[in-house]
Amino acid sequence: GENVEQHPSTLSVQEGDSAVIKCTYSDSASNYFPWYKQELGKRPQLIIDIRSNVGEKKDQRIAVTLNKTAKHFSLHITETQPEDSAVYFCAAGNTGGFKTIFGAGTRLFVKA
Amino acid sequence: DGGITQSPKYLFRKEGQNVTLSCEQNLNHDAMYWYRQDPGQGLRLIYYSQIVNDFQKGDIAEGYSVSREKKESFPLTVTSAQKNPTAFYLCASSPKGLGVNTDTQYFGPGTRLTVL
Repeated sequence: GENVEQHPSTLSVQEGDSAVIKCTYSDSASNYFPWYKQELGKRPQLIIDIRSNVGEKKDQRIAVTLNKTAKHFSLHITETQPEDSAVYFCAAGNTGGFKTIFGAGTRLFVKA
Repeated sequence: DGGITQSPKYLFRKEGQNVTLSCEQNLNHDAMYWYRQDPGQGLRLIYYSQIVNDFQKGDIAEGYSVSREKKESFPLTVTSAQKNPTAFYLCASSPKGLGVNTDTQYFGPGTRLTVL
């Protein structure tokens, strides 16, 4: 079946450094790729998303890139801060469909 | 965030008992979803509903049941047939239909179920 692989499972960076999380998906029909941030014990919250008609999207310190040919998409966080510490989930979905497949998550630690 | 709520926040259940988790949204969203989250794992889809009185099984529906009698409500029942029900349960909703952000899912705060 369809799946989304996410790497790394754990990432530790120094405050101010950049963090990159990578995902690959298997369903070629996927055209919507959201990223969620989940702090400990709380709900996942959408931080950025990208659709298949663009290759890159940026929102302040966060950017997402998409390579449809390779079925890869990545989250880039620049100038990391301790409050960026959380679990980040990528996902792949199909506009108009009702099934979004989530990656297993990346636990990001930002050391002050 | 306040538009989708779940109750209770914590729930304890004895083995062999059914239990129902509540999910309510006032966002006028058409689609609603139930996910299960286990430690160190991603979100796995249990059931989803596109419209009132209609719902579909997700990847791990066995041992669970749902109903969608009202647009704003999508309760999940964890039955005694679910072999390993202890987990964090998340409800979500999305607008669907035509538009730019109709796929974005908004999550509730979750219910942590523990089977004793």
